[in-house]
Amino acid sequence: SQTIHQWPATLVQPVGSPLSLECTVEGTSNPNLYWYRQAAGRGLQLLFYSVGIGQISSEVPQNLSASRPQDRQFILSSKKLLLSDSGFYLCAWSVAGLRYGNTIYFGEGSWLTVV
Amino acid sequence: AQSVSQHNHHVILSEAASLELGCNYSYGGTVNLFWYVQYPGQHLQLLLKYFSGDPLVKGIKGFEAEFIKSKFSFNLRKPSVQWSDTAEYFCAVNGVGNDMRFGAGTRLTVKP
Repeated sequence: SQTIHQWPATLVQPVGSPLSLECTVEGTSNPNLYWYRQAAGRGLQLLFYSVGIGQISSEVPQNLSASRPQDRQFILSSKKLLLSDSGFYLCAWSVAGLRYGNTIYFGEGSWLTVV
Repeated sequence: AQSVSQHNHHVILSEAASLELGCNYSYGGTVNLFWYVQYPGQHLQLLLKYFSGDPLVKGIKGFEAEFIKSKFSFNLRKPSVQWSDTAEYFCAVNGVGNDMRFGAGTRLTVKP
C-alpha cells in the first residue's frame, strides 16, 4: 500500500532563517506531488505541484520554493522565512492523471511557527 | 484559474438534523469534484467524489452530494447528522490540469 510521510511535524524557526520541509511517498511511482498551506478560515491554499522530477508548478508567488530531486520526494524550502510563513503545511500525492478522478492523499502535516 | 466557494464558515446543528453544505466552483470545462473531511486531530480524508456518470454521488458515513452542472454546484448533504460528524468539510475541484483547489472549508458542530 502507498504511504506518505512528511517531516518535521513541528518546527519553530526565527525570522530570516532557512526552511526545509521534506515529503516522501512510498508504494507508488511517478505520483503527482503537492504542497498546500492550511490556514483557519482560508481552506487549503495550493502552493506547488509537480507531475515529474524537476517539474514544478508554482501557484502563489512568495518566498517559498519547491523541488523534486527524486521521483517520490518533494521538498518545500525558503531561504529567509517571514513571520507570515507561519502555518500548517500539507504534502499530498495522487496517482498521475488526477483529472481522471483519482483521489489526492494527504500527509500528516507540519506546523511551522516563525518567531 | 478555477476557484471554489463554500458558503458557510461554521454550521451548528443538533443531532438528527439534516445537513446541506454549499459548494460552488468557477471553471468552464470538465471538472472533477470532491468533498474531504477533517475530523479533530486527524488527517484530511476523502468523503466522496464525482468525475462522471450519475450526478448524485454517495459517499462514506451516509453523505451524498449532487453535481448540478448548470449551477456550478456540488452541495454536500446528509439526512440526519450525528455528533461524530463534527469536523471541518472541504470542497475541492480539479479541472483538466493536475492541480486541485480547495474551498475555505466549513466547520460543522453537531450538538448532542
